[in-house]
Amino acid sequence: DSGVTQTPKHLITATGQRVTLRCSPRSGDLSVYWYQQSLDQGLQFLIQYYNGEERAKGNILERFSAQQFPDLHSELNLSSLELGDSALYFCASSVAPSGRSIGELFFGEGSRLTVL
Amino acid sequence: QKEVEQDPGPLSVPEGAIVSLNCTYSNSAFQYFMWYRQYSRKGPELLMYTYSSGNKEDGRFTAQVDKSSKYISLFIRDSQPSDSATYLCAVGPAYSGAGSYQLTFGKGTKLSVIP
Repeated sequence: DSGVTQTPKHLITATGQRVTLRCSPRSGDLSVYWYQQSLDQGLQFLIQYYNGEERAKGNILERFSAQQFPDLHSELNLSSLELGDSALYFCASSVAPSGRSIGELFFGEGSRLTVL
Repeated sequence: QKEVEQDPGPLSVPEGAIVSLNCTYSNSAFQYFMWYRQYSRKGPELLMYTYSSGNKEDGRFTAQVDKSSKYISLFIRDSQPSDSATYLCAVGPAYSGAGSYQLTFGKGTKLSVIP
């Protein structure tokens, strides 16, 4: 158990709809990352928040948005859903690395989104 | 050219075999090299990491980095059925501060170790 909690585990919805995925990071971790994993694209970085502020953006569509709340949990909002948005969405958290040590990413078990 | 290239497999080997998994990367600024393991229906978990060229060993696993050719490898000795998983390489630049730590992942190689 990585300590990162994601809900819901599975979600089935229709095209054009909007969904919200939720992530609770490990206790004490300030950074939250969202990744999308599909068979053809692999694990793609979407966005990162650090202590409530957006820190980095990757290949996130304009239809998608995220935020990190004061209690450090994060939500990823996906709107105007298309068939191609069907994927596994992972949240990861980390602490800042110190010196030459790495900032390991701890992943949740993911939210599987199916758009019909 | 993609930043990280990884053969997706699948790769099937008999129990006890030596497994070699490889990735190439294009950006010479990358300084962290990692291998994550992902079991079916689970999130990736860090298996090994290295910060520089050379080898790093951990039990049956050896990670190897050749910065001159931008090539990273993971070797698994005496492979076990429990090693069956998808292995993702990941690379990243030096830590830039402010809590930002970016990794670029390969697509992953699915490994099956047959008893």
